[in-house]
Amino acid sequence: DIVMTQSPDSLALSLGERATINCKSSQSVFSSNKNYVAWYQQKPRQPPKLLIHWASTRESGVPARFSGSGSGTDFTLTISNLQAEDVAIYYCHHYYNTPHSFGQGTKLEMK
Amino acid sequence: EVQLVETGGGLIQPGGSLRLSCAPSGFSVINTYMSWVRQAPGKGLEWVSMIYRDGTTYYLDSVRGRFTISRDIPTNTLSLQMNNLRAEDTATYYCAGCSGDSCYHYWGPGTLVTVSS
Repeated sequence: DIVMTQSPDSLALSLGERATINCKSSQSVFSSNKNYVAWYQQKPRQPPKLLIHWASTRESGVPARFSGSGSGTDFTLTISNLQAEDVAIYYCHHYYNTPHSFGQGTKLEMK
Repeated sequence: EVQLVETGGGLIQPGGSLRLSCAPSGFSVINTYMSWVRQAPGKGLEWVSMIYRDGTTYYLDSVRGRFTISRDIPTNTLSLQMNNLRAEDTATYYCAGCSGDSCYHYWGPGTLVTVSS
């Protein structure tokens, strides 16, 4: 089974700063020229919201300040110009094979 | 617009059974990969089960043999039959759908299952 490990577990930043969240998979999730990784944002009492799929493809309607990068086993979610509404928990997820799995989550707070 | 709505959650005693349902609008359960993902109170997301377009099913090890995922084409409904429930199954259960081979674009609001005596 593939394990997804995120870092850091939490981070506190100021408005306008850049947030960087890392995710490492225990084995490669690359196949057929695609990385089977997604990123989600979850706010309290809401379901997860897809931000990024295929590791770097922004979902329709997601602000351009959210970007994903990486390949193979190492992936990054970057949130530029942090806004108050970005306070949430962020999860990485692999859908390379079953069982799918999620990272443990990174809690983003405002300083 | 795609929407998913889960029903069937509630309070159940350990060892009991519960059936969750998910009724998507805007797409057919037979045309995409569908899953159940759960989240224990205050915890992270945990993938539970998946059904492929061809009907093949997959399960988390800890639920295999107790949970059964299925779909009903005439009613366009995804279901999760949960038997022999344990306290550790307590969670909000989300129905989630993929778009093509990319997951998970669609999520329901979730339904809470509480296993307690």
